[in-house]
Amino acid sequence: QVQLVQSGSEVKKPGASVKVSCKASGYSFTSYDINWVRQATGQGLEWMGWMNANNGNTGYAQKLQGRVTMTRDTSISTAYMELSSLRSEDTAVYYCAREVVTGRVDYWGQGTLVTVSS
Amino acid sequence: DIQMTQSPSSLSASVGDRVTITCRASQSIGNYLNWYQQEPGKAPKLLIYGASSLQSGVPSRFSGSGSGTDFTLTLSSLQPEDFATYYCQQSYSTWTFGQGTRVEIK
Repeated sequence: QVQLVQSGSEVKKPGASVKVSCKASGYSFTSYDINWVRQATGQGLEWMGWMNANNGNTGYAQKLQGRVTMTRDTSISTAYMELSSLRSEDTAVYYCAREVVTGRVDYWGQGTLVTVSS
Repeated sequence: DIQMTQSPSSLSASVGDRVTITCRASQSIGNYLNWYQQEPGKAPKLLIYGASSLQSGVPSRFSGSGSGTDFTLTLSSLQPEDFATYYCQQSYSTWTFGQGTRVEIK
């Protein structure tokens, strides 16, 4: 069965970076785009960007340009999302999501809580 | 960026009620509109894609309609497991989510 398993919770200080992993199983990793979506506590969903898992092409939300980087390691079917220059406003649960057709997500990771606090 | 406005932001309803949630896009998005359900502490779950197509495994009491800028999610007969938060999402130009509609028990 298809699964996206994310890395565990992180606590970071302001100005630091965090790298969250998303390991895919149960399907051909390079056949689908991976998107990242975050959700601050009690807030709505915010799209962060996408990555073509086959060729590594990426597209990022304008507000995160310059701070977010999405990469992958096809040998281990894992996608990564790195966010730098962390601020308290980046405290959120971060989800990876498999995009089956344009904009349509059929599988999500379980979420990774990133807390930014001094 | 395309803005998505959902209404209402919350509603109270009883089991068996018919519930309607609307989503308006700031520009035409064709039928590039999906609906998700999210329970507390869980990842979102796809309900409707392409504005009106039911995702496999989702009960038929969920339905979607609309095109262009105005969309609707309807739950024909609310069940206990349907009390959750619902989000619309446009995928016409990158992605944007609505702010969510929380469906609570009356």
